[in-house]
Amino acid sequence: EDQVTQSPEALRLQEGESSSLNCSYTVSGLRGLFWYRQDPGKGPEFLFTLYSAGEEKEKERLKATLTKKESFLHITAPKPEDSATYLCAVQVSGTYKYIFGTGTRLKVLA
Amino acid sequence: SAVISQKPSRDICQRGTSLTIQCQVDSQVTMMFWYRQQPGQSLTLIATANQGSEATYESGFVIDKFPISRPNLTFSTLTVSNMSPEDSSIYLCSVLAGVDEQFFGPGTRLTVL
Repeated sequence: EDQVTQSPEALRLQEGESSSLNCSYTVSGLRGLFWYRQDPGKGPEFLFTLYSAGEEKEKERLKATLTKKESFLHITAPKPEDSATYLCAVQVSGTYKYIFGTGTRLKVLA
Repeated sequence: SAVISQKPSRDICQRGTSLTIQCQVDSQVTMMFWYRQQPGQSLTLIATANQGSEATYESGFVIDKFPISRPNLTFSTLTVSNMSPEDSSIYLCSVLAGVDEQFFGPGTRLTVL
């Protein structure tokens, strides 16, 4: 069964304290892996697409990496405005179907 | 990317009634999707809506409960029929805008009493 698991469920960081969020997946065939940011009361905001093991993408304080079984979202020197829920999704090969994880709720304290 | 709006943004409804949610996109897109996000849970795909064809429903979702219309390339509606409290959720539409990337609307928060 295709499945996406994110950890930790929640994470509290001090401003400037770097950390990583994990997304592990089991899928029959991977077309792509996606990271989204979701603020309370809003829809998910697209961050990154990763297609193959070894690929990395960066945007400001965020860097996403991909292996054959998991992806990491690294947050370097986070700021309070980085507080949000971060969602991971995989696209099954041959379909447009996304399977989402339950997300990591990140809180960055000033 | 694409700019997506949804109406209503939130609603409180009585059980047994129906609600139609609208999704409007600022550009023409082939594929649109409807998701449900229940409290504390991940997004679950309800159906894929392509213009000019019947919507394709995921396992556990049926057309009688969630009828979808897709009259043109910028608009879609999802109706939640004969509602019960278990239908209380956030409903999101998304569009395929890019190679594989989906972009989401702001969501409709539905509470059924």
